[in-house]
Amino acid sequence: GAGVSQTPSNKVTEKGKYVELRCDPISGHTALYWYRQSLGQGPEFLIYFQGTGAADDSGLPNDRFFAVRPEGSVSTLKIQRTERGDSAVYLCASSFGGAGYEQYFGPGTRLTVT
Amino acid sequence: TQLLEQSPQFLSIQEGENLTVYCNSSSVFSSLQWYRQEPGEGPVLLVTVVTGGEVKKLKRLTFQFGDARKDSSLHITAAQPGDTGLYLCAGARTGANNLFFGTGTRLTVIP
Repeated sequence: GAGVSQTPSNKVTEKGKYVELRCDPISGHTALYWYRQSLGQGPEFLIYFQGTGAADDSGLPNDRFFAVRPEGSVSTLKIQRTERGDSAVYLCASSFGGAGYEQYFGPGTRLTVT
Repeated sequence: TQLLEQSPQFLSIQEGENLTVYCNSSSVFSSLQWYRQEPGEGPVLLVTVVTGGEVKKLKRLTFQFGDARKDSSLHITAAQPGDTGLYLCAGARTGANNLFFGTGTRLTVIP
């Protein structure tokens, strides 16, 4: 069966531009997570969706970051006025439920801000 | 700042050697997971440990959860080149839905 997919796999953008990163979770998974992984580090939590709503957005670093999941499936992470410090791999994961359920990760989108 | 610190950060060993990776925190976790991540891919779950003192074995890999549920270790026996990758521990905390990942250990097994 299909796993979590993320597009694009790589994105290069100029400082100050707007970017959108897409995540297609595993069909039937109600929970969706976004993490950010900087070079040489483990992933850091950004936001968690249960269905259509953002149940926990405490990991978003500032108001330039926003994510939506309008139909409870595909999610888009949006970054406004990108900065060089936003360069990282953005990982999406999905699971059948929240805490206690195994999270399945996508391959990530590598964002480079020049 | 990440709640879980892993050591060593980098490890390069010869095929056939044994190794241990450590994952430490001052926080208590309800469960702890170990993942392996290869370049260009997301982390893949290896094991979940839940009970303090629990030991789980997965072929040549042995995972242990500390008695106080603040630390864990991963021991690999007779490492093989296919074990090469980034090993990540990740903890779950009561009341939180997300995982707290460690800093990672990059393992290279030389044939």
